[in-house]
This record gives sequence, C-alpha cells and structure tokens, in this order.
Amino acid sequence: GDSVTQMEGPVTLSEEAFLTINCTYTATGYPSLFWYVQYPGEGLQLLLKATKADDKGSNKGFEATYRKETTSFHLEKGSVQVSDSAVYFCALDFGNEKLTFGTGTRLTIIP
Amino acid sequence: GAVVSQHPSRVICKSGTSVKIECRSLDFQATTMFWYRQFPKQSLMLMATSNEGSKATYEQGVEKDKFLINHASLTLSTLTVTSAHPEDSSFYICSARGPRDRDYTDTQYFGPGTRLTVL
Repeated sequence: GDSVTQMEGPVTLSEEAFLTINCTYTATGYPSLFWYVQYPGEGLQLLLKATKADDKGSNKGFEATYRKETTSFHLEKGSVQVSDSAVYFCALDFGNEKLTFGTGTRLTIIP
Repeated sequence: GAVVSQHPSRVICKSGTSVKIECRSLDFQATTMFWYRQFPKQSLMLMATSNEGSKATYEQGVEKDKFLINHASLTLSTLTVTSAHPEDSSFYICSARGPRDRDYTDTQYFGPGTRLTVL
C-alpha cells in the first residue's frame, strides 16, 4: 500500500541554520505531495505542495521538489527562525482519496 | 480563502455524556470532509470520511456507533462522541477537500482542532 516515510525527530537547530527534513514515499501511480505544519496546540496548515514530477513547491522560505526518480519530497529552508519551531508532516494524496501522512518531524529552533 | 473552522476549540465533559464537534468550511463548499484523531506527539489517525448527503465511511477499528458523523450540508459536518469516556480524550481535527473552482480539489484544508477532555 501507499506509505510515507519521514526523517525521525526531534530535530534541533540553531537559528539561521540550514534545514532539511527528508521524506520518501511508496505509491502506485503519481500522487500529489504535501508538507503540512502544525504549531503547538493547533491544527495543520498547508505549507506547500507539488502535483507532478519535478514540480517545486515553495512557501515562507521553505521548498520541496517532487522527485519521481528517487520518490522523494524533501523539505528545505536556507535559514530557519525560532518561529519555524513546529511539527512538520509529509503527506501524499491521489486527489479523491484520503491523505497518507508520515509520522511527523518535530523541529525546534534555538536562538 | 479555503478556511475551515471547528467549534468548540476545547471541551471538558463528564464521563458518560455526549459531545458534538462542528466542522465548517467557511468560504467554499465541501462535499467531502475528514475527521482525524491525534494523540500526543503522534501523527493524525483518520477516523472517517464524511460525505454530504450520505453515510460516513469509517476506518477499520473506529466504532461508528460511538463516533457519529453527520454531513448535513455542503459546509458543515459534525462529529458526536457518544457516551464519552476518559480514553476518548484526544485532539480531534477535521479537514475539507478544497474548492473546485480554485482547482484545489487535491488539497485538504484543516480546521484548528478540538481538544476533548473527558473526566
């Protein structure tokens, strides 16, 4: 079945460090790929998405590229801020079915 | 755009009572909504898919008689936790599939969540 594997956390970085959170997927066909972010005590917010191979999603300085050859959708940011501290979820969707989530990666940025 | 709200944001109830949680799509119509449950420091667990005008589809292991879902309109789905017990305490999150007219039908938009505590 379809699945998403995320880098295990927690991840702790200093402010202005470079961030990578790895995400790989297993799926039959070509799903849409998403990164969602969850701040403490809140629901999930869509951070970015990509719907086909080689698409790059970007938002708030975060980027992720849909790599079909490596079945990956790694999240990157060049310079993180304390306000980026949250839990990040990678997910896939075939458009008319349920989202399949990764386990989430807790990110803490220290000043 | 594509905002989903939930009410209440937090509820505390006594064991044995029922609690209703509302999920609304504020600026779009949603034929499909989803209900998730999240335990502390864990990922989301899909409980059921709510379809407007028809019965909800429950995931394996979710008691449909305990977690009643009603999707009576294109902007509202409700989850009722019946005869709640302390083990039902959790964070419940709903989502709605995005608006067709904005070509976001492949994207789910999430509500802010409802924290249920059963004493």
